[in-house]
Amino acid sequence: DAGVTQSPTHLIKTRGQHVTLRCSPISGHKSVSWYQQVLGQGPQFIFQYYEKEERGRGNFPDRFSARQFPNYSSELNVNALLLGDSALYLCASSLQTSMNTEAFFGQGTRLTVV
Amino acid sequence: GESVGLHLPTLSVQEGDNSIINCAYSNSASDYFIWYKQESGKGPQFIIDIRSNMDKRQGQRVTVLLNKTVKHLSLQIAATQPGDSAVYFCAENNQAGTALIFGKGTTLSVSS
Repeated sequence: DAGVTQSPTHLIKTRGQHVTLRCSPISGHKSVSWYQQVLGQGPQFIFQYYEKEERGRGNFPDRFSARQFPNYSSELNVNALLLGDSALYLCASSLQTSMNTEAFFGQGTRLTVV
Repeated sequence: GESVGLHLPTLSVQEGDNSIINCAYSNSASDYFIWYKQESGKGPQFIIDIRSNMDKRQGQRVTVLLNKTVKHLSLQIAATQPGDSAVYFCAENNQAGTALIFGKGTTLSVSS
């Protein structure tokens, strides 16, 4: 079985642009979460989606949005990119919405804003 | 606020030694904890988890200890190998149970 897959793996954008990142969870997993990892730091929670509904949101501005599709894949959108948005964006999938079960991460999308 | 911290940013050991990576957490209501390993350029890899109704859990070459009295978590790696070199993060679930809260990580360097 494939693990969590994310695309693209790397991306370079200009300030002010918009970006869409994609994630496919492990087969059978209905929960997808997004995290931002700045160099040298631990991942920071952005969103959790379960059964296509937002179940949790971290402390990120409204420029960040996400959605989950009927096949449980997910997109993270970031508008009006800032230099500080440069980071590794990680997607994690788990069976349940409650984060008391194993969560598995993808390889991430490395976003560079110039 | 909710936060998870680690005691040491780096740990250097010799191949074959046992490694102990420590973590302090602040939310006494957290009931689930995970250790992740992250190699350069990759996403975090699940190592082992533990629930708050347990004090100890063992996996293959790894043991996690949970001390709820002092809110301390540790990861023990037996017979450390060069392939264990990575950044290790502990994480706890938040109060709503919707997210994992990560610490800053400990970089483990194993020399042969």
